[in-house]
Amino acid sequence: EPEVTQTPSHQVTQMGQEVILRCVPISNHLYFYWYRQILGQKVEFLVSFYNNEISEKSEIFDDQFSVERPDGSNFTLKIRSTKLEDSAMYFCASRPRDRAYNEQFFGPGTRLTVL
Amino acid sequence: AQKVTQAQTEISVVEKEDVTLDCVYETRDTTYYLFWYKQPPSGELVFLIRRNSFDEQNEISGRYSWNFQKSTSSFNFTITASQVVDSAVYFCALSEVVSGTYKYIFGTGTRLKVLA
Repeated sequence: EPEVTQTPSHQVTQMGQEVILRCVPISNHLYFYWYRQILGQKVEFLVSFYNNEISEKSEIFDDQFSVERPDGSNFTLKIRSTKLEDSAMYFCASRPRDRAYNEQFFGPGTRLTVL
Repeated sequence: AQKVTQAQTEISVVEKEDVTLDCVYETRDTTYYLFWYKQPPSGELVFLIRRNSFDEQNEISGRYSWNFQKSTSSFNFTITASQVVDSAVYFCALSEVVSGTYKYIFGTGTRLKVLA
């Protein structure tokens, strides 16, 4: 069964460094999402992406964040200059075209630790 | 505004007990979807069930059952004869059609501890 994959599973970085989190959505899906979960807290929506552009973003998704689908298979989240408070689990998700089937498929997550 | 409330922060039960996890949601949309996810200690989100707003039938899957009541805006989850492997954090989530993006709004989660 196809699944969403994310790399790396764990990323450790120094404050102020740029990080890129990578996701490979399910191949025939058209809608892509990033969510964030600070340790011990709820999962929060960051951004949705469709037709090569951002369709919605949350207040968390400020100018330090960007997303890209560079090659038709990968979907990346870039944090330009990481802060301590960016430490969290980041989940990528994708959704198929059929709107009647509204389930998003989540990847296993990337745990980002900012030191 | 859309909102999901899971008032139970943590529940502890002894193995074989039944346990119900509560989920109350707020939405102005008439068409929406509700979900339950399990997050084991390994951290991934495991899909359990999806419900749309037009289907109020309760569902049973093995030891799991769900009670969806639009009149009280609740979508509660019951585990019958709990097992130690059920220990995890459980999240309820809401997705509105009106948002256009179908983004999920998660509750704060309920940590379930099943003791042997």
